Amino acid sequence: DADVTQTPRNRITKTGKRIMLECSQTKGHDRMYWYRQDPGLGLQLIYYSFDVKDINKGEISDGYSVSRQAQAKFSLSLESAIPNQTALYFCATSEQGGTDTQYFGPGTRLTVL
Amino acid sequence: QQPVQSPQAVILREGEDAVINCSSSKALYSVHWYRQKHGEAPVFLMILLKGGEQKGHDKISASFNEKKQQSSLYLTASQLSYSGTYFCGTETHQKVTFGTGTKLQVIP
Repeated sequence: DADVTQTPRNRITKTGKRIMLECSQTKGHDRMYWYRQDPGLGLQLIYYSFDVKDINKGEISDGYSVSRQAQAKFSLSLESAIPNQTALYFCATSEQGGTDTQYFGPGTRLTVL
Repeated sequence: QQPVQSPQAVILREGEDAVINCSSSKALYSVHWYRQKHGEAPVFLMILLKGGEQKGHDKISASFNEKKQQSSLYLTASQLSYSGTYFCGTETHQKVTFGTGTKLQVIP
């Protein structure tokens, strides 16, 4: 079984809808991250969490919110989806901070019409 | 601020060598390198800590010059399996910021 899973893997939605992307991990890591990937822009950090009570904004948090329900679960919400939020979204985990390997989930491809 | 990677894209024939560069305007604590194949998640290659170390496994190695705030990834005798997009990630304040990637294609 995969260590980091994301659901759904693909989602098509309409402008204005609320969407939740979920991430679960079995690695026992405290640190979890949400990234957005657009062609030519690499991976941009949306939110990150160092533990259940510690959640921080990344580079592009506007229009997004997160919830860390447990050590193993970290959800990303788009309160009112807009077309320029169409992208590939990755969740990642790490045991420690910046000097530790990040393990990525398989990604969620989101299309907002 | 995102680190800058160069080149943006490169095409190699099997057996050729390549160098991918990553530079930052900020002082760095560490540099990460990841490879992403089309439609897949990024996969960790290596982390270099400040101290000017070099690392490598198989025929892929990297160097980190903290004074110049630069890192380079060296791919030697490239194989078809090396194709993908390579990202560097630079660490400051326990957060990693990824570059825009270098697309590498190895052809027979």
